Amino acid sequence: DGGITQSPKYLFRKEGQNVTLSCEQNLNHDAMYWYRQDPGQGLRLIYYSQIVNDFQKGDIAEGYSVSREKKESFPLTVTSAQKNPTAFYLCASSWGAGYGYTFGSGTRLTVV
Amino acid sequence: SQQGEEDPQALSIQEGENATMNCSYKTSINNLQWYRQNSGRGLVHLILIRSNEREKHSGRLRVTLDTSKKSSSLLITASRAADTASYFCATDATGSSNTGKLIFGQGTTLQVKP
Repeated sequence: DGGITQSPKYLFRKEGQNVTLSCEQNLNHDAMYWYRQDPGQGLRLIYYSQIVNDFQKGDIAEGYSVSREKKESFPLTVTSAQKNPTAFYLCASSWGAGYGYTFGSGTRLTVV
Repeated sequence: SQQGEEDPQALSIQEGENATMNCSYKTSINNLQWYRQNSGRGLVHLILIRSNEREKHSGRLRVTLDTSKKSSSLLITASRAADTASYFCATDATGSSNTGKLIFGQGTTLQVKP
């Protein structure tokens, strides 16, 4: 079955530690996106990529980094520079402009 | 930057009733989309309406778009307990340089009581 897989489902980060969230899709979608969701709120765009080896900052990119070395994969690294990383992280993919998104099931990151 | 604002923030109805949620946005759009999110899960795409369309149907869902008022509504008819979820509108703004990136509203939490 085609879909988008995020792992892990839950992740715990210590202060000062970098962590990487995985996002893999087998839908052959060109575009991929990372959003952050805080409790009771909407989604805010962190980074997005329209093609392999290219990505752009979203509204809240500070403290995050991404790579897009393969069409299927768009990992997100939450660095120690992100001061308030506890949130629900959602990855999505689409054919691009004018199309809806397919979302993964999310990763819940908690700082301990 | 939040483009969409949804109203009401929360809605509680009985099974079988209709549920209406509204979304207002600020800038010109290419399209507007509605998504559903069950608690603790990813979002599911429901429907996309383009800026030159006024109404769209999908099963028990009816979406309207009024670009002059910069607003949209989602109507769920004959609601079921399984419709209990949060519903988000998202806009693809015309100033987004054809990137396809969406700006999401805060969402409406719908509870359907059996």
